[in-house]
Amino acid sequence: AQSVTQPDIHITVSEGASLELRCNYSYGATPYLFWYVQSPGQGLQLLLKYFSGDTLVQGIKGFEAEFKRSQSSFNLRKPSVHWSDAAEYFCAVGAWLTGGGNKLTFGTGTQLKVEL
Amino acid sequence: SAVISQKPSRDICQRGTSLTIQCQVDSQVTMMFWYRQQPGQSLTLIATANQGSEATYESGFVIDKFPISRPNLTFSTLTVSNMSPEDSSIYLCSVGDPLNTEAFFGQGTRLTVV
Repeated sequence: AQSVTQPDIHITVSEGASLELRCNYSYGATPYLFWYVQSPGQGLQLLLKYFSGDTLVQGIKGFEAEFKRSQSSFNLRKPSVHWSDAAEYFCAVGAWLTGGGNKLTFGTGTQLKVEL
Repeated sequence: SAVISQKPSRDICQRGTSLTIQCQVDSQVTMMFWYRQQPGQSLTLIATANQGSEATYESGFVIDKFPISRPNLTFSTLTVSNMSPEDSSIYLCSVGDPLNTEAFFGQGTRLTVV
């Protein structure tokens, strides 16, 4: 069975500082990996995704993530955090279904607080 | 990309009653997924709804409590039956895109049971 671990429940960074959110997954085959962001009262927004190819994936809002198979990790990074990045971040691993669709297993989330 | 509309966006319901949540997609999709996000928690998959067949439920979720309909390729409903305060959650509909394997989410239905 697939699973995702986000070890950090809360992270606080200063605006302008770099950010790294950790994600470790367990999956028997080549995983489909996603990072989503959820702001208070908002829906889920996809930041980036990895299916194959280049292990460094660029996403929206200046985020990137690196897939490391040997470490079963897919950490999210941003070189300079903005106050508007404060939100909850979810890592997810997907199992692709024959009918067309990813059955997602989510991590517990990391709540990011940005200090001005 | 797919655009997903969920109704209602929020509701407050009395315990013991049922609520049906609708999910409408702007394109035809084979698989639709229903997730639950309890307060302060992550998302958990309730079931996968394939058009023309019974929904497949995840461990811990049963059809009597969460009946799902999937009458066509653009629409699905999730009913939360005989509600209790523990059912207070955000319920989200999701669809896949077979062209790029991305998962799209609706804005969710915020349910409060009193």
